[in-house]
Amino acid sequence: EIVLTQSPGTLSLSPGERATLSCRASQSVSSYFLAWYQHKPGQAPRLLIYGASTRATGIPDRFSGSGSGTDFTLTISRLEPADFAVYYCHYYANSPRRYTFGQGTNLEI
Amino acid sequence: EVQLVQSGAEVKKPGESLKISCQASGYSFADYWIGWVRQMPGKGLEWMGVIYPGDSGTIYSPSLQGQVTISADMSTSTAYLQWSSLKASDTAIYYCVRSKNYFDSWGQGTLVTVSS
Repeated sequence: EIVLTQSPGTLSLSPGERATLSCRASQSVSSYFLAWYQHKPGQAPRLLIYGASTRATGIPDRFSGSGSGTDFTLTISRLEPADFAVYYCHYYANSPRRYTFGQGTNLEI
Repeated sequence: EVQLVQSGAEVKKPGESLKISCQASGYSFADYWIGWVRQMPGKGLEWMGVIYPGDSGTIYSPSLQGQVTISADMSTSTAYLQWSSLKASDTAIYYCVRSKNYFDSWGQGTLVTVSS
């Protein structure tokens, strides 16, 4: 079973700064099945990135994903106030079908 | 536009049964897996299980197998999550999700509170 470990648990930054969030898998995984979500209090989570690096529809290019093997990164180039939220990485395994979330990174001002 | 609209908040007592719903629109309901994700108070997101409405095939998270039942009604494009006997630990927000290799659409969430 794949375990995703995100770091740091909490990241304190200011608007305009660059955020780098890490997701490490317990074993090598296909980047095709790695995704990132943003979750704000009182709202449903939102898909940001799938296939490790493809932005979902409507996601600004300030958000970028990268990585392969066991190490993946979500980068937010210039933080805006609306970007402060919890971010989750996520992996899909297809045999058998399973979905796993990391424990989340809280990006706070 | 893909939309997943969930039923409203519920307050239940331990031991009671419950069925919450998620009505899908804007796509072919039969052709995509649809599932459930929960967020317990103060915790992260946890995948619970999925169903393929086209053949009603279901897959559950090993940690939740037997605790809940996922079903779907093709005639109304609605997915369901049900419990036969709720526990206080079932208190959470439950989200339905259209499931590909990732969850591209989410319902608005249903808060379930189980308290005596």
